[in-house]
Amino acid sequence: DQQVKQNSPSLSVQEGRISILNCDYTNSMFDYFLWYKKYPAEGPTFLISISSIKDKNEDGRFTVFLNKSAKHLSLHIVPSQPGDSAVYFCAASSSQTGGFKTIFGAGTRLFVKA
Amino acid sequence: EPEVTQTPSHQVTQMGQEVILRCVPISNHLYFYWYRQILGQKVEFLVSFYNNEISEKSEIFDDQFSVERPDGSNFTLKIRSTKLEDSAMYFCASSESGTAMNTEAFFGQGTRLTVV
Repeated sequence: DQQVKQNSPSLSVQEGRISILNCDYTNSMFDYFLWYKKYPAEGPTFLISISSIKDKNEDGRFTVFLNKSAKHLSLHIVPSQPGDSAVYFCAASSSQTGGFKTIFGAGTRLFVKA
Repeated sequence: EPEVTQTPSHQVTQMGQEVILRCVPISNHLYFYWYRQILGQKVEFLVSFYNNEISEKSEIFDDQFSVERPDGSNFTLKIRSTKLEDSAMYFCASSESGTAMNTEAFFGQGTRLTVV
């Protein structure tokens, strides 16, 4: 059951350049999307979210774009920094089911090279 | 900064034994969750808990599993008769409201469960 898909297991980017992490979803009931960052031996840390009523949300170096018709979202990090190296999880939930269940993608490991 | 705390950080248990994983959610949060991540795999939803009852559970969360909020601060996950395939990192999380209501869940550091 892969309702949230992150097709790139890893991404390598040079410091200072843009990192673009992609995510696709299949469940049209999802209306809230989140990105989490995870370092080894730590729990996921919330990064940024977007509601389905928006198509863009920005927070500092992080911007999430949502394309509902394509059921696609992306996380842009610019400029990328070595400390951004981590696994990034895309996640989604649906208010129609109370929002109690968040489905995670498999994650993309980002390497930012100095 | 308030955080979700989990104990123990690592639990080793023999197959067939029962384990209890403990979590202290953030104090003003009302919704509590357990997730697990088998090594190398994705983070999987297990169960959500609100108002002293299960709100939603996944197909993974069968009769082997139970959750409890015994004293108003702790939130526990009990796994009965553990199997080798229960070995995973178990994450507790909490949120102010359901995650679709524009609020994120805060995760603990995780408990690594190893069943031998």
